[in-house]
Amino acid sequence: SAVISQKPSRDICQRGTSLTIQCQVDSQVTMMFWYRQQPGQSLTLIATANQGSEATYESGFVIDKFPISRPNLTFSTLTVSNMSPEDSSIYLCSPDGYTFGSGTRLTVV
Amino acid sequence: QKEVEQNSGPLSVPEGAIASLNCTYSDRGSQSFFWYRQYSGKSPELIMSIYSNGDKEDGRFTAQLNKASQYVSLLIRDSQPSDSATYLCAVNKWGAQKLVFGQGTRLTINP
Repeated sequence: SAVISQKPSRDICQRGTSLTIQCQVDSQVTMMFWYRQQPGQSLTLIATANQGSEATYESGFVIDKFPISRPNLTFSTLTVSNMSPEDSSIYLCSPDGYTFGSGTRLTVV
Repeated sequence: QKEVEQNSGPLSVPEGAIASLNCTYSDRGSQSFFWYRQYSGKSPELIMSIYSNGDKEDGRFTAQLNKASQYVSLLIRDSQPSDSATYLCAVNKWGAQKLVFGQGTRLTINP
């Protein structure tokens, strides 16, 4: 299975700011999946991203809040924009939809 | 009704016993089923996947699937304190890579 690297591993951010999370895999993959896990909750899919096309967002998630880039087949970024404390979560990328990187633990204060 | 339901626990099991974790799902179109282990503060780790009715064994873990009853379970034999974690059940539909997760069951193995 692919080796998945996520950066940063954790961050504490001020409300109203934005954070960009990077996901790098060691092999080319067609799709990249971004999940969120709020405290005490399970994982929820935010969006899927193909290279060269706009990401597809799940119900309840919008591009203005969670813009995604997919510049090539090994890399993707997720930005959490205009953050509020409700965005405090673990954010996870997945190159195949069922294996995950180590995640980014975000706390918004 | 939630798409994937699990008893949130906590489930306490003595060391060396069998831990039984259960999951039900609502969509009969679900085709693939996954069990994850998640330690506190860590990302989920895939333990097993199962696609066909019946049992699938991997070491101390056995996944059981009953599509007619829309039920999937995970058995952990010879439970160890290191098995203490939250166990997540996830399902997806044929041809769809999106996973739908249950809320997870918190398992504690007591020495």
